[in-house]
Amino acid sequence: EVQLVQSGAEMRKPGESLKISCKGSGYSFTSYWIAWVRQMPGKGLEWLGIIYPNDSDRKYSPSFQGQVTISVDKSINTAYLQWNSLKAADTAMYFCARLGAVTSRSSLEINFFDRWGQGSQVTVSA
Amino acid sequence: SYDLTQPPSLSVSPGQTASITCSGDKLGDAYVCWYQQKPGQSPVLVIYQNTRRPSGIPERFSASNSGNTATLTISGTQAIDEADYYCQAWDSNSDVVFGGGTKLTVL
Repeated sequence: EVQLVQSGAEMRKPGESLKISCKGSGYSFTSYWIAWVRQMPGKGLEWLGIIYPNDSDRKYSPSFQGQVTISVDKSINTAYLQWNSLKAADTAMYFCARLGAVTSRSSLEINFFDRWGQGSQVTVSA
Repeated sequence: SYDLTQPPSLSVSPGQTASITCSGDKLGDAYVCWYQQKPGQSPVLVIYQNTRRPSGIPERFSASNSGNTATLTISGTQAIDEADYYCQAWDSNSDVVFGGGTKLTVL
C-alpha cells in the first residue's frame, strides 16, 4: 500500500528554524515526484514546490521561492520541508503529496497528486 | 500568474446533480484534476487528466474540460459528498495552480 507518513505537529517561536518530514513507503520512492502543499487555517490549498527524489531536481512556486527549502534523503525514502526563520504567517497545515504519474520535468502537465500525507500542523507564535 | 476561479459555495439537495465549475484562460488546453477534502482530512484525488476517475472513486463523479471551463459533476449527490472541492492544473511555467475551492453543502 502506498503511504506517505508525515512528522507530527510542531510549535515554534518567530525566527526559529524547523524541518518537517514525509516518509514514503509501498512504492519506488525515487521514481515519483513529491510535492509540498500549504493550507492556512480556513483557507485553500497552495503549492510550495516539488522535488524528484532520484536526483533532487526541484522546482519552487514563485510565491515560496527563497522562503522554504525542499530536500530529500532517498536512502531513507524521506522528503523534507525546511524554514530557516519562521514567521507567524507560516502557521498552517502542510501536506506532502505524491505525483502519480512517472514523468520527466518536461511532462509535468499531465501529472496529479494521487496520494497525500496526513498533514503536519506548524504553529508559530511568540 | 495563472488563476483558476471556482464558486465559493454550492448547495444541492440529496439525489440531485451538483456541478462545480473551474474557470481559467484556455483551461481546456490543460489537464485538470479535482480533489475532495472533508473537514480535518487530507485531500483526495477524485478526477485526474480531465475525465479519469481513480480506482475507488464512485461512478457518480465525472468531469469535463473545454474552452475556459472545467466542470466536476456529482450525480445523485449523497450526504457523504459534502466537502470542499478544489480544481488544479499546471500553468505554462510548469507551476501548480489550485482553484480557490468550492464548499459543497448537501441539504
